Amino acid sequence: AQSVSQHNHHVILSEAASLELGCNYSYGGTVNLFWYVQYPGQHLQLLLKYFSGDPLVKGIKGFEAEFIKSKFSFNLRKPSVQWSDTAEYFCAVTITGNQFYFGTGTSLTVIP
Amino acid sequence: GAVVSQHPSWVICKSGTSVKIECRSLDFQATTMFWYRQFPKQSLMLMATSNEGSKATYEQGVEKDKFLINHASLTLSTLTVTSAHPEDSSFYICSARDDVSGELFFGEGSRLTVL
Repeated sequence: AQSVSQHNHHVILSEAASLELGCNYSYGGTVNLFWYVQYPGQHLQLLLKYFSGDPLVKGIKGFEAEFIKSKFSFNLRKPSVQWSDTAEYFCAVTITGNQFYFGTGTSLTVIP
Repeated sequence: GAVVSQHPSWVICKSGTSVKIECRSLDFQATTMFWYRQFPKQSLMLMATSNEGSKATYEQGVEKDKFLINHASLTLSTLTVTSAHPEDSSFYICSARDDVSGELFFGEGSRLTVL
């Protein structure tokens, strides 16, 4: 079975700090990669996705992610976080386009 | 953007009863919908893939007879938790894939508490 690993379970940052959340997956073939965000009390929302092409993907709210095939990684980054970025972040992988496999999630707390 | 609505958003039931949760795509058609379960402070666990007009595909370890899935139309999938027990208490989330764009949209989730 495929697996998605997010090594950072809980990250605490001050506003304006830079963010990088790790995501690794365990499949050697072609994958589609996603980052979702879940704000407190809200449903999952898509931040960004990678299907093919430029491995550096830009998403909403200043987030970006880089697909490094050789490392099976798709890390999420943001140069300067804001208090409003406090949320749960999930990395997800799909191979067939059907089943989405999610990582365990990273809880981000941004301190004003 | 596209909206996926789940109903009810929360439900409390007695042990042994059955509970039905609906997932509707409001402004797009979705041949494929997915049901997830999310435990507190944990990730989403895919339970099953719901296909309109055919049987759902369940993930390993998920009881088909316990979690009945019906996808009767291109905009509606239902999850019925049969003979619910306290260990079934969880947050159930559905997602629907837009047949045109292929994009996946998530519902708000339904919190089930079994007493």
